[in-house]
Amino acid sequence: EAQVTQNPRYLITVTGKKLTVTCSQNMNHEYMSWYRQDPGLGLRQIYYSMNVEVTDKGDVPEGYKVSRKEKRNFPLILESPSPNQTSLYFCASSPLGGTGGHGYTFGSGTRLTVV
Amino acid sequence: QKEVEQNSGPLSVPEGAIASLNCTYSDRGSQSFFWYRQYSGKSPELIMSIYSNGDKEDGRFTAQLNKASQYVSLLIRDSQPSDSATYLCAVNPRGYQKVTFGTGTKLQVIP
Repeated sequence: EAQVTQNPRYLITVTGKKLTVTCSQNMNHEYMSWYRQDPGLGLRQIYYSMNVEVTDKGDVPEGYKVSRKEKRNFPLILESPSPNQTSLYFCASSPLGGTGGHGYTFGSGTRLTVV
Repeated sequence: QKEVEQNSGPLSVPEGAIASLNCTYSDRGSQSFFWYRQYSGKSPELIMSIYSNGDKEDGRFTAQLNKASQYVSLLIRDSQPSDSATYLCAVNPRGYQKVTFGTGTKLQVIP
C-alpha cells in the first residue's frame, strides 16, 4: 500500500529534550515536506526536500532541523523543543513539489506536546 | 493579503443539497490548485486537482478555476453527512516547488 508513515503518533516531552519525528514513504517520491498545523493558522511549511541531500527552509523553520540521507526518509529534529512548538505535525510527499497537478500524500500526523 | 484565503465557516447545508466552497489566491501566476478534505483529527486527503480554467468533475465533486479572477471553488453535489469535514484549498505559486494552504472551510451536512 502506498503510504507515508510517521512516528510517533503522540508525543509528550519536556522543554529542551531533543526529539526526532520519523517520516518514511514507499512511493519513490522525489519531494518530501514537513508541515505544522495550528488552530486558525492552518498548515504551515517547516522544511522541504527536493531530493536526497537537498533541503530548504519553508515558512516557519526556526527551531527545527531536517535531513534527507535516503530518498524514502525525512526525519524532523527538534534540538531543544519549546512549548510554542506544541502542534500537530504532518509529513507529506509528492512526485514533484506541487507542479504539474501532483498533490501531496500525507502521513497520519504526530501530535506533539512540549511542557 | 494572505496567499490563499478561505472563509472558515462553518458552512451548513442540508443533506442532498449542493455545497459550494470558495477560495481566492494572491499570486496571479499560480499554476496548480488542489482541494483536500480533512476529517477532525485526521490527515488531509487530496480529492481534486485542477490547473486549467474551467470545470473539472469527479463523481459528486466539481472543481472550478477562474485564473482571471483568481479564485477556485469546489462544488459537492448531493451532499452527505459523511462529507462533513474541513476542506483545504491549496495553491502552487509560480516558480515554487511547494504548495501553500488556506486555513480551510468547515462544512457541516445536516441530515
